[in-house]
Amino acid sequence: KAGVTQTPRYLIKTRGQQVTLSCSPISGHRSVSWYQQTPGQGLQFLFEYFSETQRNKGNFPGRFSGRQFSNSRSEMNVSTLELGDSALYLCASSLAQQLSGANVLTFGAGSRLTVL
Amino acid sequence: SQKIEQNSEALNIQEGKTATLTCNYTNYSPAYLQWYRQDPGRGPVFLLLIRENEKEKRKERLKVTFDTTLKQSLFHITASQPADSATYLCALGTSGGSYIPTFGRGTSLIVHP
Repeated sequence: KAGVTQTPRYLIKTRGQQVTLSCSPISGHRSVSWYQQTPGQGLQFLFEYFSETQRNKGNFPGRFSGRQFSNSRSEMNVSTLELGDSALYLCASSLAQQLSGANVLTFGAGSRLTVL
Repeated sequence: SQKIEQNSEALNIQEGKTATLTCNYTNYSPAYLQWYRQDPGRGPVFLLLIRENEKEKRKERLKVTFDTTLKQSLFHITASQPADSATYLCALGTSGGSYIPTFGRGTSLIVHP
């Protein structure tokens, strides 16, 4: 089956602009999580969506937002871009079977954002 | 505060040897621990999951141990190959509340032919 698809793969923006990233999860996966990865901070959790609702949120400013559609596809938006937002943004989908006590993530290839 | 620590220095080994990577954690009561592999410019790929009541898990050339007393997991790759060169991330998940796994920063493994 098709994996997690993220678009665009690469993009360059300037400070103050906004950006929207897209993620299509594996068919049947209802949970979509977003992570920011930088060399200095590693993989940092942004937020998780399940059935169109934000279920968990990391410690990021309100400039970072997301949403999920009825087909489980998700988008994240970053407004008023800062230089420090340059990073690899990763989307991961999962079955999110909470009762099983484990959440195995399948990641996309990521969207590489460069802010100039 | 909660911490997940992986060696930031790259691990260099010769082909055929066993690579051992370490994941230490503090102020966590993990319900499970996962290991992922990440190649440059790609997303992490899930390798193994071990639960708090398990001591060891194996999958082909991979072995993971989990010692909740030492608060440590060891990840072994036996008969390592240059194709095993990548960054390896551990991730901890807790029971109850949010079950979003928290990732360590990863350790780079370089296997020399």
